Amino acid sequence: EDQVTQSPEALRLQEGESSSLNCSYTVSGLRGLFWYRQDPGKGPEFLFTLYSAGEEKEKERLKATLTKKESFLHITAPKPEDSATYLCAVRAGSARQLTFGSGTQLTVLP
Amino acid sequence: KAGVTQTPRYLIKTRGQQVTLSCSPISGHRSVSWYQQTPGQGLQFLFEYFSETQRNKGNFPGRFSGRQFSNSRSEMNVSTLELGDSALYLCASSKDRVNEKLFFGSGTQLSVL
Repeated sequence: EDQVTQSPEALRLQEGESSSLNCSYTVSGLRGLFWYRQDPGKGPEFLFTLYSAGEEKEKERLKATLTKKESFLHITAPKPEDSATYLCAVRAGSARQLTFGSGTQLTVLP
Repeated sequence: KAGVTQTPRYLIKTRGQQVTLSCSPISGHRSVSWYQQTPGQGLQFLFEYFSETQRNKGNFPGRFSGRQFSNSRSEMNVSTLELGDSALYLCASSKDRVNEKLFFGSGTQLSVL
């Protein structure tokens, strides 16, 4: 059974204080690892897809990286508007659906 | 370009009733998936529809069902509601079954009393 574990569950940062969120996975045949951002009362918003170990993608203050066992979402010099829950999900084997982790709730204080 | 639209936004029902939720995908998107989100279980896959056919189903009881229409709009139905069915129900669309990127709606918040 595919498993996705995110840590920490919650993270509080001061504005400008860089950090990383972790997503570790156990799957058979990874076909894609996805990062989403979810704001309160809204659905998840797509950020990145990573397909193979060593791959990196960047968007503004966010950078996602992938190894064979885990993915990191690095947040550089975060701003209060980066506060949200960040979700990691995998698609593996012949499955079409995504298996989600429980998320990291990020709070950036001004 | 309009995003994924889900109606209603909020719903309150009592145990034993049934409910129908609606999802309009992004124009041109033909694949629609449904997920249930709860604080305890997180996001869990319900089912996926493409070309009016259910292609994939998650581990939920038969009380949960869905369908897709020829214009790609989708509905999901939950019969004989239980307290544990209280959740945020999210619909996601993608262009086709090859495109990996899912676009989510804001969800329908269902409360079962």
